[in-house]
Formats: sequence, C-alpha cells, structure tokens
Amino acid sequence: DTGVSQNPRHKITKRGQNVTFRCDPISEHNRLYWYRQTLGQGPEFLTYFQNEAQLEKSRLLSDRFSAERPKGSFSTLEIQRTEQGDSAMYLCASSLGQGRTDTQYFGPGTRLTVL
Amino acid sequence: AQSVTQLGSHVSVSEGALVLLRCNYSSSVPPYLFWYVQYPNQGLQLLLKYTSAATLVKGINGFEAEFKKSETSFHLTKPSAHMSDAAEYFCAVSDSNDYKLSFGAGTTVTVRA
Repeated sequence: DTGVSQNPRHKITKRGQNVTFRCDPISEHNRLYWYRQTLGQGPEFLTYFQNEAQLEKSRLLSDRFSAERPKGSFSTLEIQRTEQGDSAMYLCASSLGQGRTDTQYFGPGTRLTVL
Repeated sequence: AQSVTQLGSHVSVSEGALVLLRCNYSSSVPPYLFWYVQYPNQGLQLLLKYTSAATLVKGINGFEAEFKKSETSFHLTKPSAHMSDAAEYFCAVSDSNDYKLSFGAGTTVTVRA
C-alpha cells in the first residue's frame, strides 16, 4: 500500500521547544495539504502546496509555523517555540490536483502534545 | 465562503437500525460535498462524494447520501448499522478556488448490540 504516511505518529514536547513533522504523499499527487484537528472538532485547513509551491496559508498558521515541500515530494511542517495551544492532531492529505472534486487522501496524522 | 454544519455531535443506534447523519451546507457556488469517516487512531477515509453527476450518491460500506439543493442538505444514511460502523463521521465542502476542504465538527456514531 502506498498511501500517505506521516512521521512521527506521536510527539510529546515541552513548551518552547521546536518540532518538525514529515508527510510523504502518494507519489503521483501534485497537491499536498496540511490540516489541524483538535479534540471534538473537524480538521481545519492550514496550508497547501501545488508541487513545490506553497499557494495559501490559513490565518491559523502563525509566524511560528513554517511548511516546505522541496522538489514537490515530501513535506515538512515545523512549529517553533511550541505553546500548549499547539497540542492537536496534524493531518496531511494529498490529491491529484485536478479540480474541486479531487479526493484528498489523508495520512494517519501526527499527534502533538505540548507540556 | 463555503461551510457545513453537522447536526448532532453524537448518534447512538442499535445494530441493524437505520443510521442517519445530518449535514447542511452553505456555499456561494455549486457545492462539491464529501463524507469522510475516521476510525480511532486512523486517518480520514472517504466514504462518498457529490460532484453534481447524480443527487443520490452511493459510497463504500453500504452508505449513501442524497444531495437536496432546496434544503441545502447532504445527509448520510445506512439502512442497517453494523458494529464496525462505530466511528466519527465528517461532512466537508470543497472550496471553489483552491480545493481545500472545510469540515463540519463531526458526528460520533456508537452502535449498541
């Protein structure tokens, strides 16, 4: 199975530390999305890439957050100076990028706990 | 801007009973709508999607949903619940410009034996 993979699956960190998550999309997919999901809520859009270009960032993405997708393959999401409010599940999804009816395929997520 | 509202954060059904999960949308453009399911400790999996081809959409695991423009609804149903249907279900709408999804808050389904 060559679905979307995310690493690590769980991350526990202390407030003020930096963390980095990785997402490997389905190989032929051009679009890659990051979402954040807090307990009891649906996923919220953070940012997305078309190949290596980051095309939109949500206002939820403060300047402590940065995302990259070098060479249009895997992507990383870094959070600097973590805060307890950053505790959430971070989901990555990928799609072919052919239009609004695209199916986004989700990875299992990285659960971040900030102590 | 597009958005969805899921009515009912928790639904409890008996095994073999009808499952009905409600979703209403708000969209300034013709909506494209999705239902995803999330099992514990797993990512979201697509159940079905509405792409304007047919108003009654059949998905995986016996689920289906009907798009009703007059009611701005896209409710999800399954005639007979199975224990394996216990999960969280999310309705989502696709943005008109960049295809990002806007999700509802989710409905947790429990199935009683």
